[in-house]
Amino acid sequence: AQSVTQLDSQVPVFEEAPVELRCNYSSSVSVYLFWYVQYPNQGLQLLLKYLSGSTLVESINGFEAEFNKSQTSFHLRKPSVHISDTAEYFCAALIQGAQKLVFGQGTRLTINP
Amino acid sequence: DTGVSQNPRHKITKRGQNVTFRCDPISEHNRLYWYRQTLGQGPEFLTYFQNEAQLEKSRLLSDRFSAERPKGSFSTLEIQRTEQGDSAMYLCASSFGGANYGYTFGSGTRLTVV
Repeated sequence: AQSVTQLDSQVPVFEEAPVELRCNYSSSVSVYLFWYVQYPNQGLQLLLKYLSGSTLVESINGFEAEFNKSQTSFHLRKPSVHISDTAEYFCAALIQGAQKLVFGQGTRLTINP
Repeated sequence: DTGVSQNPRHKITKRGQNVTFRCDPISEHNRLYWYRQTLGQGPEFLTYFQNEAQLEKSRLLSDRFSAERPKGSFSTLEIQRTEQGDSAMYLCASSFGGANYGYTFGSGTRLTVV
């Protein structure tokens, strides 16, 4: 069965510090991988996705994630966070050819000034 | 493109009552999805439509739950005889083509069963 594990439920960091949100997946078949962000009282927004090709994918607001097949990971990183990055971040996997996203439990990123 | 719209935003109901939620997807999106999100958890898949056809249903969707997308545009999710365990955020999403392009989510309907 397919599953997604986010290893940290909460990550507190100081403003302008680097951050890494960890995500591991398990699947016996090829998957697509996604990171979504959820700001308070809002729906989820797609942050970035890995479909194929370069294993390093970037978003427009400075986040990046690297697909590591051998470690079955898709960790999200940002070299310098801002207060506005405070949100819950969800990693998700999609079996190729399927329509159902499987989400991790989420990681709450809290930025301290 | 006005995004995915969900109504109502909040619903409080007494146990045993029926509730219905509505989702209006992005107009050119042919696929529509319903997810449920409980506190502290990631969204869980409930069901998926391609145009008006309901193609997949989760085991989470008990007999008390029914979803429709009658003309391949908006969708409704009805819960009959609500239970306290139904309290959750119900999220709708839509996509054009496959889910690998990424969903666009609505802001959700928060259901509280008292």
